[in-house]
Amino acid sequence: DAGVTQSPTHLIKTRGQHVTLRCSPISGHKSVSWYQQVLGQGPQFIFQYYEKEERGRGNFPDRFSARQFPNYSSELNVNALLLGDSALYLCASSLVQTASYEQYFGPGTRLTVT
Amino acid sequence: KNQVEQSPQSLIILEGKNCTLQCNYTVSPFSNLRWYKQDTGRGPVSLTIMTFSENTKSNGRYTATLDADTKQSSLHITASQLSDSASYICGGRLGGGNKLTFGTGTQLKVEL
Repeated sequence: DAGVTQSPTHLIKTRGQHVTLRCSPISGHKSVSWYQQVLGQGPQFIFQYYEKEERGRGNFPDRFSARQFPNYSSELNVNALLLGDSALYLCASSLVQTASYEQYFGPGTRLTVT
Repeated sequence: KNQVEQSPQSLIILEGKNCTLQCNYTVSPFSNLRWYKQDTGRGPVSLTIMTFSENTKSNGRYTATLDADTKQSSLHITASQLSDSASYICGGRLGGGNKLTFGTGTQLKVEL
């Protein structure tokens, strides 16, 4: 079975641009969470989606948005990119909403903002 | 102040040696605590998950312990291998909500 997949693997953008990152969860998993991991730090929670609805949001500005599609895949959008948005963006899927369940991480998308 | 603090920040050990990594958390309520291994540029991979009622859990050469009273956890790696070189991140469902909260990790390097 395929694990969590993310695309693209790497991305270079310029300040002020917009970016869309994509995530496909493990088959059968209905919950997707997004994390930002700056180099040398642990992952920071951005969003959780379950059954196409936002179920949690971290301390990130409104430039960050996300959505989940009927097939449970998800997109993370970031507008007006800043240099500080450079990070590894991780997607994690789990069977259900509750964080007590195992969350499986994808390989991440490395975003570089110049 | 981080809700999850890990130590040491980095560690270098010789192949075959044991090591112990520490994790302290400050947030309540506590639901579960996890240890992940993260290779450079890759996503974290779960090693152990413990609830408050568990005080030890093993996964091969990895053994995690938890003291919910002192809010401390440790990850012990036995007979280290070169492939153990990675960042080890502690975190879990801490506080309310469904998010996972993570520490900054311990960067482990195993050398010949």
